[in-house]
Amino acid sequence: AQSVTQPDIHITVSEGASLELRCNYSYGATPYLFWYVQSPGQGLQLLLKYFSGDTLVQGIKGFEAEFKRSQSSFNLRKPSVHWSDAAEYFCAVGSDSNYQLIWGAGTKLIIKP
Amino acid sequence: SAVISQKPSRDICQRGTSLTIQCQVDSQVTMMFWYRQQPGQSLTLIATANQGSEATYESGFVIDKFPISRPNLTFSTLTVSNMSPEDSSIYLCSVDSSGTYNEQFFGPGTRLTVL
Repeated sequence: AQSVTQPDIHITVSEGASLELRCNYSYGATPYLFWYVQSPGQGLQLLLKYFSGDTLVQGIKGFEAEFKRSQSSFNLRKPSVHWSDAAEYFCAVGSDSNYQLIWGAGTKLIIKP
Repeated sequence: SAVISQKPSRDICQRGTSLTIQCQVDSQVTMMFWYRQQPGQSLTLIATANQGSEATYESGFVIDKFPISRPNLTFSTLTVSNMSPEDSSIYLCSVDSSGTYNEQFFGPGTRLTVL
């Protein structure tokens, strides 16, 4: 069955520290991969996406993610987090055979001052 | 990217009543989606709304409870009918603006509380 796993329900990091949020997927087709961010009381904003090509993709707000087919992973990274990065982060997977997205459970990022 | 607005942004309703949520897009789009996000949870797709056809509902969601209209390529409504406290959620509208690659853009959501 198709699925997306975000193993960390919440992560706490200090402001200025580096960040890595994990995303693993199980998908039979060639995946299209997305990371979205949801700030408190807001809708979802697309951070970055991977369709094909270079496996390291750059997004907005200084985020990047790396697609590793061998590990079925698409982890999100940021070298130095800011207090404004505190939010919920969702990984999602789609494909050209299905217009729907499969969503992970989300990871809540907490920033320590 | 598409700009999406939703009305109302939040509401508090009494059980047994209905609420209609509006979703407006600034450009014509083929596919619009309605999601429910229960407190502390991920997104659950309610239905997909294409203009000129009946909405397609996901397992666990029925038209009598969540009727959807899609009168044109820029607008859709979702009604939450005969509400109960279990319907308290954020309801999100999204659009697949590119038509490919599944990229979706989201509205700000409607936060519904049912008493």
